[in-house]
Amino acid sequence: GGIITQTPKFLIGQEGQKLTLKCQQNFNHDTMYWYRQDSGKGLRLIYYSITENDLQKGDLSEGYDASREKKSSFSLTVTSAQKNEMAVFLCASTLGGYEQYFGPGTRLTVL
Amino acid sequence: QEKVQQSPESLIVPEGAMSSLNCTFSNSASQSIWWYQQHPGKGPEALISIFSNGNKKEGRLTVYLNRASLHVSLHIRDSQPSDSAVYLCAVSFGGNNKLTFGQGTVLSVIP
Repeated sequence: GGIITQTPKFLIGQEGQKLTLKCQQNFNHDTMYWYRQDSGKGLRLIYYSITENDLQKGDLSEGYDASREKKSSFSLTVTSAQKNEMAVFLCASTLGGYEQYFGPGTRLTVL
Repeated sequence: QEKVQQSPESLIVPEGAMSSLNCTFSNSASQSIWWYQQHPGKGPEALISIFSNGNKKEGRLTVYLNRASLHVSLHIRDSQPSDSAVYLCAVSFGGNNKLTFGQGTVLSVIP
């Protein structure tokens, strides 16, 4: 089996700050995803990548950048943190578009 | 934009009862439908998926899909306290490796 690791587990930043979240997977999966989960809501897709150096925008990409420099890692940058962005950010990966495997999440708090 | 709606928002059942969760989606051309389980502080984990009209049974879980009515349901037989979690319905619209998630149903199984 494999695992998805997300760092950090908790991230506290100041409003307007640039913040980076990291994700690593050892499944050798091609496609990786970043989702945002707000309290009481489902998951919304921010960015996804079907192979290294590929980036595709999701429904919620405004205010975020992403980077996929290696097959095993996918980073997400909040370009200017806002108070209404307090949420859990989830990374996932899949092989061939079937079952998505998720990491434990990074909980973002903006002061 | 494709939509996925889940009902009820929350469900409380006694131990041993059947739990029934519902999901409607906006497009009959959907590919596959997934149900994910998410415990507090964890990432979602895939439980069961269905592609064809009809039903699919795995252990205590049964899924029913009716594409004509754009409806899918998940039934958990003999519900246990360990089944208490958020259940997310996710639909693949088109062959682009993307899932659209519903807002989730919070299931509480009372001993």
